[in-house]
Amino acid sequence: AQSVTQPDIHITVSEGASLELRCNYSYGATPYLFWYVQSPGQGLQLLLKYFSGDTLVQGIKGFEAEFKRSQSSFNLRKPSVHWSDAAEYFCAVRRRGGGADGLTFGKGTHLIIQP
Amino acid sequence: EAGVVQSPRYKIIEKKQPVAFWCNPISGHNTLYWYLQNLGQGPELLIRYENEEAVDDSQLPKDRFSAERLKGVDSTLKIQPAELGDSAVYLCASSLGLAGGPYNEQFFGPGTRLTVL
Repeated sequence: AQSVTQPDIHITVSEGASLELRCNYSYGATPYLFWYVQSPGQGLQLLLKYFSGDTLVQGIKGFEAEFKRSQSSFNLRKPSVHWSDAAEYFCAVRRRGGGADGLTFGKGTHLIIQP
Repeated sequence: EAGVVQSPRYKIIEKKQPVAFWCNPISGHNTLYWYLQNLGQGPELLIRYENEEAVDDSQLPKDRFSAERLKGVDSTLKIQPAELGDSAVYLCASSLGLAGGPYNEQFFGPGTRLTVL
């Protein structure tokens, strides 16, 4: 069965510092990969996605993620965080060819920004 | 363009009572999803609709949960009777489905936070 692991439950970063959130997946074949952000009281918003091609993908709000097949990882990065980035971040996967399938999510990483 | 609308946003009920959640997807989105998000967890798919047909309800606890999507637009998720363990956020999402190509981005509503006392 497919699974997504986000090993860090909480991460604290100073404002202006760089950020990396980890995501590993377990799947028979490389799935489609997504990162979502959830702010308090808000719905999930898609930050970026990877299907194929360039393994470094750019998303909204200055985020990027790198797909590494050998490590089954899809880590999210941002060079300089802002206080408004404090939120819950979820990595998710969907099987290739399963265009309308539901997503399988990790447990999330709670990002805290220190002033 | 309006996003996915859910109501109510918050609901508090006593155990053994029934409860219903409503979702209005983005106009033109054929596929509708209900997810369950427990505290400190990621969302988990409960059911997926393609138009009015439930095509994946394998994770829906059918003894107490039911859902419908009449006319292939709005959807209602019901719990009867509610149990303490049902306290969670219920998220609705919609997408273009197969017409959306490989990307088929899912758009999420704000969710309904259920508290069962």
